Amino acid sequence: GQQVMQIPQYQHVQEGEDFTTYCNSSTTLSNIQWYKQRPGGHPVFLIQLVKSGEVKKQKRLTFQFGEAKKNSSLHITATQTTDVGTYFCAGPHYGGSQGNLIFGKGTKLSVKP
Amino acid sequence: AAGVIQSPRHLIKEKRETATLKCYPIPRHDTVYWYQQGPGQDPQFLISFYEKMQSDKGSIPDRFSAQQFSDYHSELNMSSLELGDSALYFCASSVSGGGTDTQYFGPGTRLTVL
Repeated sequence: GQQVMQIPQYQHVQEGEDFTTYCNSSTTLSNIQWYKQRPGGHPVFLIQLVKSGEVKKQKRLTFQFGEAKKNSSLHITATQTTDVGTYFCAGPHYGGSQGNLIFGKGTKLSVKP
Repeated sequence: AAGVIQSPRHLIKEKRETATLKCYPIPRHDTVYWYQQGPGQDPQFLISFYEKMQSDKGSIPDRFSAQQFSDYHSELNMSSLELGDSALYFCASSVSGGGTDTQYFGPGTRLTVL
């Protein structure tokens, strides 16, 4: 069945270092969404990418959607302790109704001060 | 801004008991989704409703049922609870026709089955 894969599973960085998580889908996606979940919290929507090759920036966060619309990445420049959490990518379930999302396993980011 | 409300926030049940989780979507959101998230796992889609009708079904056990009411709130009913049902249950809501299917998650209900 349809799968969304995400690597790495864990990433430990020193504060100020950069961080990247990668997401790959087994199927072409109409869009890809990124969520952040803080420890003990709920997933919070970060961004949605729709166009092939799209790049969007939010302050220190840069999101990319691959040309084939099957992969995506999230890059954080100069991480801060507030970036700690698990970052999930999610894509619409193929054949499902609008909005039914398939999540990647997430990348858990820890930042050492 | 109003967010998704879930109740209760914590629930402890015994095996074979039943549980009802409630979700109140963001006002004017017409779609509700339920997800189950085990410890250290990603959210797994269970079921969704659009305009009070079931719109999609994921990995929801037959022991679970859900519905959306006329005021758009939704309830997830879980019967014959098993130890493996212990998890965080998230409700999310979205509004259709806006060009995006951004889902806004509630704070979750932590269900513990003993």
